[in-house]
Parts: sequence; C-alpha cells; structure tokens
Amino acid sequence: KQEVTQIPAALSVPEGENLVLNCSFTDSAIYNLQWFRQDPGKGLTSLLLIQSSQREQTSGRLNASLDKSSGRSTLYIAASQPGDSATYLCAVGSGNTPLVFGKGTRLSVIA
Amino acid sequence: GAGVSQSPSNKVTEKGKDVELRCDPISGHTALYWYRQSLGQGLEFLIYFQGNSAPDKSGLPSDRFSAERTGGSVSTLTIQRTQQEDSAVYLCASSPGLSTYNEQFFGPGTRLTVL
Repeated sequence: KQEVTQIPAALSVPEGENLVLNCSFTDSAIYNLQWFRQDPGKGLTSLLLIQSSQREQTSGRLNASLDKSSGRSTLYIAASQPGDSATYLCAVGSGNTPLVFGKGTRLSVIA
Repeated sequence: GAGVSQSPSNKVTEKGKDVELRCDPISGHTALYWYRQSLGQGLEFLIYFQGNSAPDKSGLPSDRFSAERTGGSVSTLTIQRTQQEDSAVYLCASSPGLSTYNEQFFGPGTRLTVL
C-alpha cells in the first residue's frame, strides 16, 4: 500500500528565504506526482505535475523534482513571500487508482 | 464554468439528519473523485466515477455514505443519519480521464459540521 510522508509538518521562514519542502513515498511504481497548495478553508490548487518520466518541473518561483528510484520529491520555493503562506500537499498517482496524499507541510512566511 | 464547483460551501446539520453534497465538474471531464479531509488529517479518498459508473466503492467509510453521478456530469454525495465523526471538508475533483496521468482539478469543498 502506497504511503506518502511530508517533512516538515510545519515551517516558518522570514520573507525572501529560499526553502525546500520534502515528500517521500514508499512504492516507486508511480505514474506521476502532483504538488498542491491549500489556503485555509479553501480547496486545493494544483501547482506542478511531474510525470514519472520527468525529473523536474518549474513554474515561476517553484521548482519540483522527482527521484522515483529513491521515492522522493522536493518542492523548492525561491525568494519566499508572505503570500506563499499555505499548506502544501504532495500526492502520488499510480495508474487507475486514486491519488494518495501526504498530510502536508504548513508554511508560514513572515514579513 | 471555468472550474469545479461545489455546493453548499458550508453545511451545519444535527446528528441523525441526512445531507446531500453536490459537485459540478469541469465540462468534458469524464472522471470525478470525492475526498474527505478531517481536521488534522490528510485527504481520504472516498469514491471515483468514470462517466456515471463507480467501479470501486470500498473507500466509502460506511453504508451511510452513497454517491451517484448523472449524465456524466453532476455528482451528489449523500450521508444518511449523520454522525459527529462525519464532520469534515468534503472535496470533489475532476480530470479529463481516469488515468492518473491526468491532472486532477479540485473544487473549493463543502465544510460539513454535525452537531
């Protein structure tokens, strides 16, 4: 059974810092990995989708990497801003099965 | 519409009442998913639809939960005889196809509170 773990559970950084969020998964036979952002009381916003054949994806200040063999992904946020404060969720897809989510990392960027 | 919509956004009900939660997926998306997010917990998968068919209902927490989808579009999640442990945010997502090669797009969720 696939399990997804996110570390740390919470992170607080000063504005302007670069930071890395970590995601690990137990079964490397995945099709893709998706990073989401969730603001308090809101739904999920998809940030980046990495297919299993890819090693990274970039969108603006966000860069997500995928190392299937080691069961790891990282989300790199450059020059963090207070508006980046949210919970970041990692989810793994394996064929015609539901996404398996981690419990998220709650990020606070302090101005 | 441009995205997935859900209604109501908030629902407060008394223990023992039935509730219906609605999801409108992105037009043309054939796959639809329901998840539950309880306080302090991760997202828990409940059920998915490919068209109007739900091949696997094993994720539903109990037989008080049921879901249907009509016309390959709108879906409703029904919870009968609600219990306090049903309190959670219920999220719906849709994707162009069932395969998880496809990106899932989420709605804003329905926050259910059972008193």
